[in-house]
Amino acid sequence: GAVVSQHPSRVICKSGTSVKIECRSLDFQATTMFWYRQFPKQSLMLMATSNEGSKATYEQGVEKDKFLINHASLTLSTLTVTSAHPEDSSFYICSARGGIAGGRRDTQYFGPGTRLTVL
Amino acid sequence: LAKTTQPISMDSYEGQEVNITCSHNNIATNDYITWYQQFPSQGPRFIIQGYKTKVTNEVASLFIPADRKSSTLSLPRVSLSDTAVYYCLVGDSGNTPLVFGKGTRLSVIA
Repeated sequence: GAVVSQHPSRVICKSGTSVKIECRSLDFQATTMFWYRQFPKQSLMLMATSNEGSKATYEQGVEKDKFLINHASLTLSTLTVTSAHPEDSSFYICSARGGIAGGRRDTQYFGPGTRLTVL
Repeated sequence: LAKTTQPISMDSYEGQEVNITCSHNNIATNDYITWYQQFPSQGPRFIIQGYKTKVTNEVASLFIPADRKSSTLSLPRVSLSDTAVYYCLVGDSGNTPLVFGKGTRLSVIA
């Protein structure tokens, strides 16, 4: 139990375009999901906390107008990188805390990640 | 800021037991200790979690002393496929997200 999926796994886009990344909790409901970003050889950096039915909470230094987060249901959160630039190229990873139907309630489970390359 | 401190890297030969120690001097009463494993270009994978004393599962053991200011992940008889970055994190069961430190890069050598 407690499986988190992401789609797409890899995306290449042109500078100035927008890219949407989906994060789903497959076998449990997640009222809270988290988005991280990871650059090569570095650790994961928290970008934002996504709450179902409400606005996301962004970490300091993360532009909320550039990284749009929507958490419309208990199993889906989306991250849209708007007007992407080469410096946005990174590995984006979502996470969900184990909820009612599966996993441990006190544990975060991570998706497989999405590799974004902006040309 | 990350709440934990770990060695940056460790090397081990195949078949040996590996112990990775993590310091978390400011751990709160409600915090759990969780360890994750990450391979390149993959999301972190849950390994083990504990609150106090010892926890064991099919892949690892976690030792937590009474003061809970540190913890040790023990990997028995490592293989080449255990080469990865291991992260120790502390956090409570609420909606507070986990904040990652630098992790420990384990290299297993044949």
